Parts: sequence; C-alpha cells; structure tokens
Amino acid sequence: DAGVIQSPRHEVTEMGQEVTLRCKPISGHDYLFWYRQTMMRGLELLIYFNNNVPIDDSGMPEDRFSAKMPNASFSTLKIQPSEPRDSAVYFCASSGRTHTGELFFGEGSRLTVL
Amino acid sequence: DQQVKQNSPSLSVQEGRISILNCDYTNSMFDYFLWYKKYPAEGPTFLISISSIKDKNEDGRFTVFLNKSAKHLSLHIVPSQPGDSAVYFCAASKSGYNKLIFGAGTRLAVHP
Repeated sequence: DAGVIQSPRHEVTEMGQEVTLRCKPISGHDYLFWYRQTMMRGLELLIYFNNNVPIDDSGMPEDRFSAKMPNASFSTLKIQPSEPRDSAVYFCASSGRTHTGELFFGEGSRLTVL
Repeated sequence: DQQVKQNSPSLSVQEGRISILNCDYTNSMFDYFLWYKKYPAEGPTFLISISSIKDKNEDGRFTVFLNKSAKHLSLHIVPSQPGDSAVYFCAASKSGYNKLIFGAGTRLAVHP
C-alpha cells in the first residue's frame, strides 16, 4: 500500500534556476497539501487542493511559486526563479477527509539553492 | 502571525520519566487539535488528536490535554522511551476549513 510519493528527495541548484517538485498522493484521497519546513517557522502551509482544484494558496510566498494538480494522482510545485531563501524541506501530504482527518505526508524534498 | 505556537524548541528527558510538550493557540475558532511526530529524513506521522468537546484523550503512553479557556494543549508521554526522540508538531484546524495549521515543533530527546 503505497504512501505519498515525492520526488526528488534532494535537489541542489543555483540561484535563478527553475525547480520543480513532484508529488503523487495516496489513491482515493481528495485533498492534497504542500507544506514547507524551515527552522524558524516550522511547517508552513503553502497551498492545498480539493479534487484537483486549488482552494487556498494564501501561504504561497510570492509569484515565484506556483502549484498545479492536473489530475488526481499528480501535483507539482514550481519555483522560478529560485533563491537561496527558498532552501527548505518541502512536504506533500494527502487526506481523504475533512478537517478532522489526519494527513499522510511524503518523505519530503530537501531543496538547497546556492 | 503564528496561530499555533510551540514556545519550547527543545526538551530533554530521562528514559522512564514523563515528557510534557506544550502548545498554545490564538484562534478560538479552532475545534480540532492533533499531534504529529517526525523522525529525521521522514515525513511527519499522526500521533494523537482531540476534539474541542473533550479535555483529554489517551492512547497508550500518550495523552493529550486541552484547556480551551487558556487556549492551551499539552502532550504527555509516560514513560518516555529513547525511541520517542523526535520532533513533535502541534496542529489545529476548524470546521469548514480543510487545512491544518502547524506549530514550529519541539525536538524531544530521551536519554538513557
């Protein structure tokens, strides 16, 4: 029974380059979330989708960040152009229920922007 | 403007003793609270939750207490074991909003 799958696990890139992070949620889950973990702010919600539709993107830092969910089994988070302050661990999570449902997280994508 | 706050970044406890992790929230509309546990290089995993209609929920060695008037919750681990060493995140949500707001986390170290 596969969990949430994220790729790549590690990404090192240079400032100004485009970064694309990928996520495959658990089959049957209607909700998909992108979180970012930093030392200072912990786990920040960036955006979440319900049935492939973006519901709340108020946590997206700025226009350099964009997220898509073209179908129920795939989502991307893109940063263009990347900056050193974007260095963090990015988590994707999925859930099949409403606000009382637990989230199932992927293992994360560690991004380092030089 | 953090709505969920974990003011202790770290906690060290001796094996066999009680670990108490604290969490405060500012939004009185939150009605569901969860604790997640995270090991290095892994994603957070659900540990225990509590609804605002309760003030206590217990699951084995883990108990969560909720004080709504103080907007405070705590996670008690008794007895603490070395395998409990991890980062613990407190999270909150409210009806009608299908998202969890997390705190910054507390790193627990349980030493022999």
